[in-house]
Amino acid sequence: KNQVEQSPQSLIILEGKNCTLQCNYTVSPFSNLRWYKQDTGRGPVSLTIMTFSENTKSNGRYTATLDADTKQSSLHITASQLSDSASYICVVKTWDDKIIFGKGTRLHILP
Amino acid sequence: EAGVVQSPRYKIIEKKQPVAFWCNPISGHNTLYWYLQNLGQGPELLIRYENEEAVDDSQLPKDRFSAERLKGVDSTLKIQPAELGDSAVYLCASSPSGGGYEQFFGPGTRLTVL
Repeated sequence: KNQVEQSPQSLIILEGKNCTLQCNYTVSPFSNLRWYKQDTGRGPVSLTIMTFSENTKSNGRYTATLDADTKQSSLHITASQLSDSASYICVVKTWDDKIIFGKGTRLHILP
Repeated sequence: EAGVVQSPRYKIIEKKQPVAFWCNPISGHNTLYWYLQNLGQGPELLIRYENEEAVDDSQLPKDRFSAERLKGVDSTLKIQPAELGDSAVYLCASSPSGGGYEQFFGPGTRLTVL
């Protein structure tokens, strides 16, 4: 069964600190993996996309990694800001156009 | 360029009443998705359109949910009759073509069924 598991479920850190969110997937046949940011009351917005051959991709203070062998991805946020408070959703797509969403990690940044 | 537009943003109805949600995708996007999102959960696909054709509606509860995209542009999702468990956010998303592109999401419609 295609599944995307994210951890932790929620995370609280102080402004300026770094954090790493995890995504494990059992999806086949794998096509790509996206991280989305969803602010409260808004729709998700794509941060990064990674294909099978890509190990790391950055978008400003966001850096995503992918290990296709272990089927794990992480999203690292550097020097967190209050505006980073949001849910972060890992989404995996298959070659036959199935799109599987994780439940997300709720990140709270405290001043 | 305008993003995905959804209306209404909020809707409160009593159970057993009908309700409809409207979505206008980004201009030129052939693929349109309707998702249901419960609090603290990720979006769950209800239906996916390629132009006016519903290519994946396997997760749509067809006894009470229906959707249409008659001219391959805007779309309407309907629930009749609504149940208490239908309270959720209904998200619409669009992408240029097929499932390989980034999905652009609208702000969602928050439905509360009393």
